[in-house]
Amino acid sequence: EVQLVESGGGLVQPGRSLRLSCTTSGFTFGDDAMSWFRQAPGKGLEWVGFIRSKAFGGTTEYAASVKGRFTISRDDSKIIAYLQMNGLKTEDTAVYYCTRVLLVGSGTYYPFDWGQGTLVTVSS
Amino acid sequence: DIQLTQSPSFLSASVGDRVTITCRASQGISSYLAWYQQKPGKAPKLLIYAASTLQSGVPSRFSGSESGTEFTLTISSLQPEDFATYYCQQLNSYPWTFGQGTKVEIK
Repeated sequence: EVQLVESGGGLVQPGRSLRLSCTTSGFTFGDDAMSWFRQAPGKGLEWVGFIRSKAFGGTTEYAASVKGRFTISRDDSKIIAYLQMNGLKTEDTAVYYCTRVLLVGSGTYYPFDWGQGTLVTVSS
Repeated sequence: DIQLTQSPSFLSASVGDRVTITCRASQGISSYLAWYQQKPGKAPKLLIYAASTLQSGVPSRFSGSESGTEFTLTISSLQPEDFATYYCQQLNSYPWTFGQGTKVEIK
């Protein structure tokens, strides 16, 4: 059974940093891409960013709202994905979800499995 | 960025009703569209990917279709556990974007 467990959320002041972790099990982590999404309280879903597997270069993509402030990385030996968040703003307050993303055919990636989410609150 | 316009934003329906939710893309996205179900306090659940492929374990009363840049999620016979918010998402190009959501409530 695929399991994704996010951790590292909490209350942080504007301008500070936080690192979220996504601990995984139940699949071959190194073979798959991973992505982060977020959902502000009472709002819709927003894509944050994406990291490909090492086989596809381990490269990343980011939403414009976080580019230059957030960094996604992966440690295939520990089977953990990370979201490093710097220069946090009040508008970054949200539940952050880690997802396992699979390449379907020769088409595109889809987030098949989601963690339960971790709440990040940015406030002074 | 590709905009996705979902309609309706809210619908009230009864158990057994046929429900249709529409998602219109601002430009062509091939068939690179997914549908999710989200219940309060829970993570989204993938229902359909590639516009019409049912994710494993999802009941067959859910179906997806497309016509050009218009995509449709249909629930053939609404069940009590289907009352939730539904989102579409395009994965044709970055940034991946979502529709604003459709909340399905009990009439």
